Amino acid sequence: GENVEQHPSTLSVQEGDSAVIKCTYSDSASNYFPWYKQELGKRPQLIIDIRSNVGEKKDQRIAVTLNKTAKHFSLHITETQPEDSAVYFCAARGGGNKLTFGTGTQLKVEL
Amino acid sequence: DAGVIQSPRHEVTEMGQEVTLRCKPISGHNSLFWYRQTMMRGLELLIYFNNNVPIDDSGMPEDRFSAKMPNASFSTLKIQPSEPRDSAVYFCASSPGGGGASGELFFGEGSRLTVL
Repeated sequence: GENVEQHPSTLSVQEGDSAVIKCTYSDSASNYFPWYKQELGKRPQLIIDIRSNVGEKKDQRIAVTLNKTAKHFSLHITETQPEDSAVYFCAARGGGNKLTFGTGTQLKVEL
Repeated sequence: DAGVIQSPRHEVTEMGQEVTLRCKPISGHNSLFWYRQTMMRGLELLIYFNNNVPIDDSGMPEDRFSAKMPNASFSTLKIQPSEPRDSAVYFCASSPGGGGASGELFFGEGSRLTVL
């Protein structure tokens, strides 16, 4: 089955700096790669996703890049703000509709 | 739409007791997922259904766990008997379609289970 690895597990940045979270996946058939944000005590919510026919996607301060050859995708957050502090999960969808999540990155944006 | 609805939000029970968690997916969604979240293991997929049919239950930890989806608007996850190591937040999520359709998962608020 699919295996998704995520790094780093914790990330601390100063407000206004950029944050990058990286994930790798194992199943070359995976075709959908979402990122979820989970605030403390709340449910995970989709913030951006990318499909395998696209190399990069951007939505305001958030961007995701995908390298299918290397089976690697990354989340980039620019101009970080305190409200960006949360746990971020990457995921990959392989066969069927099964979504496998990474282990999460605790992002802390410090004032 | 009210989103995915889970109950109970919190449950505290004693070891050996039966636990039933409930989920109402978003109307019109064809896929339903049960995830378990712990600090140690993160978000683990337990089982998912397409059109009320269980597709993959390989994540169900052992025979004490069972899940059903008797109709398109209701699913249960049952643990019998419960053990302290089952303590976790259990999320139900639904998705509009299977296979190559939109993959976004819409999560419920979760059910926080504590087994003493």
